[in-house]
Amino acid sequence: NAGVTQTPKFRILKIGQSMTLQCAQDMNHNYMYWYRQDPGMGLKLIYYSVGAGITDKGEVPNGYNVSRSTTEDFPLRLELAAPSQTSVYFCASSGLARGTDTQYFGPGTRLTVL
Amino acid sequence: GQNIDQPTEMTATEGAIVQINCTYQTSGFNGLFWYQQHAGEAPTFLSYNVLDGLEEKGRFSSFLSRSKGYSYLLLKELQMKDSASYLCAVGSNYQLIWGAGTKLIIKP
Repeated sequence: NAGVTQTPKFRILKIGQSMTLQCAQDMNHNYMYWYRQDPGMGLKLIYYSVGAGITDKGEVPNGYNVSRSTTEDFPLRLELAAPSQTSVYFCASSGLARGTDTQYFGPGTRLTVL
Repeated sequence: GQNIDQPTEMTATEGAIVQINCTYQTSGFNGLFWYQQHAGEAPTFLSYNVLDGLEEKGRFSSFLSRSKGYSYLLLKELQMKDSASYLCAVGSNYQLIWGAGTKLIIKP
């Protein structure tokens, strides 16, 4: 049981490049989340999903896109990377609705945009 | 608006006790979570309070007063490995509102 996995762990992008951050969970959780965490700041919700085929925006969705074709996978797409997207990205999942259940986090992806 | 406040940084001595406070103002309340986050790592779940009172789990305890919009995390018999950030998060109307975290520094 691996829990929540994320790839890659580190990535450097040039301004304008695109990439996909991968996230997978093996706990059969319906709810999945993407957060970003800037130094000294709290977690900011980018997008979330309540099940396969259903996604919705969080607090800071601009510049990102997601899809959820299976229960297990929830990739995050960055289009036209900008320096403001330099951050640590965490994927998380929970069995019940957000705000009511423990969220389990992946190890994170450290992204630098130069 | 919805807001969570916790101190930015605290320092304590190995073997001592420390209390990390969290105050919140939210439009709804589904429960309050505490997470621990070591530097460079992901947050991990510590505790969940939905009713008023104290929940004890080993060296860690968490207290909630819903009427005061207040919680604290109490860490006893501090160890060097407790050096980490402690994040308070409140479930409100099926959102999870996160505090910025309290960085706890343990000195020998």
